[in-house]
Amino acid sequence: DSGVTQTPKHLITATGQRVTLRCSPRSGDLSVYWYQQSLDQGLQFLIQYYNGEERAKGNILERFSAQQFPDLHSELNLSSLELGDSALYFCASSVGSGNTIYFGEGSWLTVV
Amino acid sequence: GENVEQHPSTLSVQEGDSAVIKCTYSDSASNYFPWYKQELGKRPQLIIDIRSNVGEKKDQRIAVTLNKTAKHFSLHITETQPEDSAVYFCAARGYGNKLVFGAGTILRVKS
Repeated sequence: DSGVTQTPKHLITATGQRVTLRCSPRSGDLSVYWYQQSLDQGLQFLIQYYNGEERAKGNILERFSAQQFPDLHSELNLSSLELGDSALYFCASSVGSGNTIYFGEGSWLTVV
Repeated sequence: GENVEQHPSTLSVQEGDSAVIKCTYSDSASNYFPWYKQELGKRPQLIIDIRSNVGEKKDQRIAVTLNKTAKHFSLHITETQPEDSAVYFCAARGYGNKLVFGAGTILRVKS
């Protein structure tokens, strides 16, 4: 157990819908990262937050948004879902921006 | 931004043999290079990492080497076992502190 908690574990939704994925970082970690992993794909960096502020942005679609709240948990919002958004979404956390990151178990999103 | 290339994409070895996975990175300012192991349907788990101020690090059967001049780093697994079968990802932290991952290597250890 890495200490990073993600909910829900599995989610099935229809095209055009909107979903929210939630992440609680390890106790004491200030940085939260979101990664997308599609079938047979690597880990695509989406976005990073540090202590509530956006720190780095990757290839995150405009239909996706994220935030980190004062209690340091983070949410990834995915809207106008398409079939191609089906993937495993990982949240990870670290103490600071330059430290080892630890992954949660992921949220499986299936868009039908 | 940082770009990480990883080779090979698949690797099959006989149990007991060694396995080597290589990665190259583009950002000369990158200073942190972790390796993660991911079993099917599970989260990536850190197995070893190296920072730019050292050239080699070992942990039992696993070692990582870093060549900053050539901008490449490698994972070495000796005496491979069936439980080493998984997908291995290298990563590099460069500009903006973004941790960028390679595409992954599927390692199969045949018994």
